[in-house]
Amino acid sequence: GNSVTQMEGPVTLSEEAFLTINCTYTATGYPSLFWYVQYPGEGLQLLLKATKADDKGSNKGFEATYRKETTSFHLEKGSVQVSDSAVYFCALQNTGTASKLTFGTGTRLQVTL
Amino acid sequence: NAGVTQTPKFQVLKTGQSMTLQCAQDMNHNSMYWYRQDPGMGLRLIYYSASEGTTDKGEVPNGYNVSRLNKREFSLRLESAAPSQTSVYFCASSVTGTYNEQFFGPGTRLTVL
Repeated sequence: GNSVTQMEGPVTLSEEAFLTINCTYTATGYPSLFWYVQYPGEGLQLLLKATKADDKGSNKGFEATYRKETTSFHLEKGSVQVSDSAVYFCALQNTGTASKLTFGTGTRLQVTL
Repeated sequence: NAGVTQTPKFQVLKTGQSMTLQCAQDMNHNSMYWYRQDPGMGLRLIYYSASEGTTDKGEVPNGYNVSRLNKREFSLRLESAAPSQTSVYFCASSVTGTYNEQFFGPGTRLTVL
C-alpha cells in the first residue's frame, strides 16, 4: 500500500535559517507528490506539487524535487521567516485512486526572531 | 467564492449522542472527502465521494456515515458518538483526476465526553 514518512518535529529555527523537512514515500506505480501547509487554526492549503520524477515544485520560496531513485520529496527553503511557522504535510496521490491523498504525520515548524 | 465551508466550527457531545457535520463547496468540484486529524497521525481519510450519488469508504470509516446530498454538499454523520471520535474533522473537494489539488475547509473541532 501507499505510505508517507516525514521527519518528526517540532523543528525550531531562527529567522533566516535554512530549512529542510525530509519526506520519503512508498507507493506502487508513479504517484504525484504534494506538500500542504496548515497555519494555526486553519485548514490545509497546497504549498507545491510535482507530478513526475525529477520535477521540482516551488512556491513562496519553498522547493521540493521528486526523486524516484530515493523515493523522496524533501521540502527546502533557503531563509525562513516567522510567518512560515506552521505544520507541513507531505502527501502522495496515486493514479486511479479517485484523487485520494495519503498524508504523512506532519512536521511542525516554529521560527523565532 | 467561499471555497469549502464547514459547520459547526466547534461541538461538544456526550457519549452516545448523534450529530451531522455539514460541508459545502462552491467550486463545482466532483470529488469530496472527509478526513480526521489526530495528533501524531496526520490526516486519515474517513469517506470520499468521487461524484454525486457515489460514496466509498476510506481508511477509517467505522462509526461514521456520509451523504452526498448534491454536487455541492457532503455531510458526515456520527450515529452514536464515542470518545475515540474526538478529533478535528476536515472536509475537502477537488476536480476528479490525478494531479489535482484538494481544497480544504477550516475544520470542525469535535469533543466527545
